Amino acid sequence: DVKVTQSSRYLVKRTGEKVFLECVQDMDHENMFWYRQDPGLGLRLIYFSYDVKMKEKGDIPEGYSVSREKKERFSLILESASTNQTSMYLCASSFPGDHEQYFGPGTRLTVT
Amino acid sequence: GESVGLHLPTLSVQEGDNSIINCAYSNSASDYFIWYKQESGKGPQFIIDIRSNMDKRQGQRVTVLLNKTVKHLSLQIAATQPGDSAVYFCAENPASSYKLIFGSGTRLLVRP
Repeated sequence: DVKVTQSSRYLVKRTGEKVFLECVQDMDHENMFWYRQDPGLGLRLIYFSYDVKMKEKGDIPEGYSVSREKKERFSLILESASTNQTSMYLCASSFPGDHEQYFGPGTRLTVT
Repeated sequence: GESVGLHLPTLSVQEGDNSIINCAYSNSASDYFIWYKQESGKGPQFIIDIRSNMDKRQGQRVTVLLNKTVKHLSLQIAATQPGDSAVYFCAENPASSYKLIFGSGTRLLVRP
């Protein structure tokens, strides 16, 4: 079975802090994704990576950056956390051309 | 006033009854349509998909119907069980794109 793990289930940070969210997948997937999920808004794509060191902006990249130094690991970085970044963050992975994405359990981030 | 997007539609069904969850999509050029199930505290999990050249596809206890004329997708769950209680998301995959565009979700509650 595909396993996508995220470094934390719950995280509380202060406004202005730098925040790292880590995601690891064990299926050798080329594609990795970061989404945020807010009540009633579904999942919105923040960033996408299709290979090591390659990335593309999603629909809501402002305030975020990403890093993909190894194929299995995709990091989401909040350079200076703000309260409007309080959300559930979901990582996913897939093979190229495969529309089925495999999701991690999510990290619930609260910025105070 | 409150944003409509903050309210998650809820479907409440009796255990053993059939459930029908509906979704409207926006992109006529989408190639695949997918249903995901998200249980409390977990990431979304793939249920079933349907290609745009099909009208119906059946899985185990689930059926997806696609009406391209009115851009409507539905998920039917037969003999609904307590374990079916979750939030269900539809997603569309635009042709030649890695992206999944998610709907806002529907909460399914199964009454014992």
